[in-house]
Amino acid sequence: EDQVTQSPEALRLQEGESSSLNCSYTVSGLRGLFWYRQDPGKGPEFLFTLYSAGEEKEKERLKATLTKKESFLHITAPKPEDSATYLCAVQAGAAGNKLTFGGGTRVLVKP
Amino acid sequence: SAVISQKPSRDICQRGTSLTIQCQVDSQVTMMFWYRQQPGQSLTLIATANQGSEATYESGFVIDKFPISRPNLTFSTLTVSNMSPEDSSIYLCSANGPGGEKLFFGSGTQLSVL
Repeated sequence: EDQVTQSPEALRLQEGESSSLNCSYTVSGLRGLFWYRQDPGKGPEFLFTLYSAGEEKEKERLKATLTKKESFLHITAPKPEDSATYLCAVQAGAAGNKLTFGGGTRVLVKP
Repeated sequence: SAVISQKPSRDICQRGTSLTIQCQVDSQVTMMFWYRQQPGQSLTLIATANQGSEATYESGFVIDKFPISRPNLTFSTLTVSNMSPEDSSIYLCSANGPGGEKLFFGSGTQLSVL
């Protein structure tokens, strides 16, 4: 059974204080690892897909990296508007296009 | 990206009643899914909505409780039947984008059962 674990559960940052979120996974045949951002009362917003170890993607202050066992979402010099829950999910094996999600990391950036 | 509209956005329902949630995508998509997000938790897949055939349910979810329709490539409904307070959750519709693999989500339906 595919498993996705995110840490920490919650993260409080000062504005400008860079940090990293971790997503570790155990799957049979990773097809893709996805990062989403979710704001309160809204559906998840797609950020990145990573397909193979060593791959990196960036978007504004966010950078996602992937190894064979985990992914990191680095937040550089965060701003209060980066406050959200960040979700990691995997697509694996013969599971088709469905995603298995981790528990999420709630990020609060204080000015 | 695919734009996904869900309605209602929220509802408060009485125990024992049923609610049907509608999901409309702005383009034809091959895959549509229904997720549940219980308070303070992450997303759990309920079922894959298959066009023209019965939905494929995940372990712990059954058709009698969560009947799903998908009459065409842009529309699906999820019914939450015989509701109890334990069904209070956010229900999310998702669909694959133009590239096929990325999943996009609607804004969700916040359901409260009294």
